[in-house]
Amino acid sequence: SQTIHQWPATLVQPVGSPLSLECTVEGTSNPNLYWYRQAAGRGLQLLFYSVGIGQISSEVPQNLSASRPQDRQFILSSKKLLLSDSGFYLCAWSVNRPSGNTIYFGEGSWLTVV
Amino acid sequence: KQEVTQIPAALSVPEGENLVLNCSFTDSAIYNLQWFRQDPGKGLTSLLLIQSSQREQTSGRLNASLDKSSGRSTLYIAASQPGDSATYLCAGGIQGAQKLVFGQGTRLTINP
Repeated sequence: SQTIHQWPATLVQPVGSPLSLECTVEGTSNPNLYWYRQAAGRGLQLLFYSVGIGQISSEVPQNLSASRPQDRQFILSSKKLLLSDSGFYLCAWSVNRPSGNTIYFGEGSWLTVV
Repeated sequence: KQEVTQIPAALSVPEGENLVLNCSFTDSAIYNLQWFRQDPGKGLTSLLLIQSSQREQTSGRLNASLDKSSGRSTLYIAASQPGDSATYLCAGGIQGAQKLVFGQGTRLTINP
């Protein structure tokens, strides 16, 4: 069966510090990978998605970047965090199926920038 | 640009009631429509996926419908239970279903 792991679960970082959130998927090949952010009162916002190794699409201009060094690994990074980067970050995956692309989420990472 | 809206933002009902959660979308060229459940501080759990060629999907006490012409989807929950309390989100699939656009969610509380 497929599983998705995301870490760390919680993170408190000072303004200006770097960030690295990691996500890995097991039990499937060539998944579509996503990073979403859920900020209070703002719903779920797609940040990045990737359809293959090294292929990253950015949805919104921001202080963050994403990388996919391996097929089932997706990393969200920042060189210098801003207060506005605080939120709940969710990694997700899907595969292309004729019956439809159900998307599956990780447990999320709480980031507080202080 | 696809926009997804969920009304109401919050709903509180007594246990045992049947209820309907609403989701509307602006672009009828939707690839699929997915309903999720989110418990506080947790990730999202997929409940039902409706392809654009389908009209409804059922899983246990849950039934989701899709009407592309009116730009609406509903999630019907039968015989609600306190354990159903959570935030329910709908999301429309676009661009070959590689991306989902989410609504803001409906926070549901089932009172014992």
